[in-house]
Amino acid sequence: AQTVTQSQPEMSVQEAETVTLSCTYDTSESNYYLFWYKQPPSRQMILVIRQEAYKQQNATENRFSVNFQKAAKSFSLKISDSQLGDTAMYFCAFSQLYGGSQGNLIFGKGTKLSVKP
Amino acid sequence: EAGVAQSPRYKIIEKRQSVAFWCNPISGHATLYWYQQILGQGPKLLIQFQNNGVVDDSQLPKDRFSAERLKGVDSTLKIQPAKLEDSAVYLCASSARDFQYQLLAKNIQYFGAGTRLSVL
Repeated sequence: AQTVTQSQPEMSVQEAETVTLSCTYDTSESNYYLFWYKQPPSRQMILVIRQEAYKQQNATENRFSVNFQKAAKSFSLKISDSQLGDTAMYFCAFSQLYGGSQGNLIFGKGTKLSVKP
Repeated sequence: EAGVAQSPRYKIIEKRQSVAFWCNPISGHATLYWYQQILGQGPKLLIQFQNNGVVDDSQLPKDRFSAERLKGVDSTLKIQPAKLEDSAVYLCASSARDFQYQLLAKNIQYFGAGTRLSVL
């Protein structure tokens, strides 16, 4: 069974600085997706960034980028130029590409990020 | 494009009562999910629908939870009778399907704002 581990329950960063959130996962699959979702106090999960396991190039979305290390099963999120609006819970998630569980997201426990002015 | 709609936003009930949640996915999205998010944890899948058929309900406590998606659009999730440990946020999500490749389109799920259930 797949598992996702986020070892940092809480983190804080000063506005405009850079922060990295860690995520490791375990799977025997070779094809899968990895995601970072943001959940602000409004509770709505918002997709931040997505990585396809068969792509070696790390995904980037504006101020957000990932460091995907497939062999190490590591998937960290880097937020550059942190903004107050980045304050939220961040969840790392895994999804199979094929099979009966295709699409089902398996989430870590989350990291609470606070951006301080 | 309208997002995933859920109602109610909040619900407080006493244990052993019943409760129902409603979800309207993004128009045209064939796949619908219900997740349970207990405080301090990540969401956990309860059930996945493909149109009006169940794809995966292996983690749904079927003795008390039920879900349906009769016309392949809206869905309801019901708990009867509720227990204290059912207190959680219930999230609905939907995703489009790439019929050419029989894969979920980019495996991206769009979430609603959830229903916070408190069982007293």
